[in-house]
Amino acid sequence: AAGVIQSPRHLIKEKRETATLKCYPIPRHDTVYWYQQGPGQDPQFLISFYEKMQSDKGSIPDRFSAQQFSDYHSELNMSSLELGDSALYFCASSPFGRDEQYFGPGTRLTVT
Amino acid sequence: KQEVTQIPAALSVPEGENLVLNCSFTDSAIYNLQWFRQDPGKGLTSLLLIQSSQREQTSGRLNASLDKSSGRSTLYIAASQPGDSATYLCAVEETSGSRLTFGEGTQLTVNP
Repeated sequence: AAGVIQSPRHLIKEKRETATLKCYPIPRHDTVYWYQQGPGQDPQFLISFYEKMQSDKGSIPDRFSAQQFSDYHSELNMSSLELGDSALYFCASSPFGRDEQYFGPGTRLTVT
Repeated sequence: KQEVTQIPAALSVPEGENLVLNCSFTDSAIYNLQWFRQDPGKGLTSLLLIQSSQREQTSGRLNASLDKSSGRSTLYIAASQPGDSATYLCAVEETSGSRLTFGEGTQLTVNP
């Protein structure tokens, strides 16, 4: 069965650089969620999209932005990276009318 | 604001033991609750999802119960195996399609 695809799987950036993380949801899933998991912490919700519109916003820094495209894939753009942005970034998707969120393998971002 | 707590933070048991992991949440008006497994540095694997109208769900050696009125859920693992060693996270969804709020997780070690 198809799963959520995230790219890249690993990313190393320097402070003040920008990064773009991509998420490809399971086919026919129209809702995408982004979570950030710092070292030794639980995942924290960042932002979600339903049918290409932002549906909810959590503790996402103003330096971050995201969008969902017409093919339902989503991108998380991160600018002016800080050391504290080093984390595992998860994308999850769910189909309309269903509740279970299916998580991707994550992108590990390291900021040096 | 919903808060999710998991007890214990870490648990070490010998192989073959039955064990219980606990999850509590402060706002009982939840839509559903999910249990996840996470191996070190890896993604989140969904184990069980319990709708708010349900009392329990079973999958193989796993059984999850939900007592919404008291704000508690338990994950029961029967006949534990070394391969069960991982961090177990519970997460609540307050309304359909909304964000997940995670607990801090229980790190389980099953010793051969």
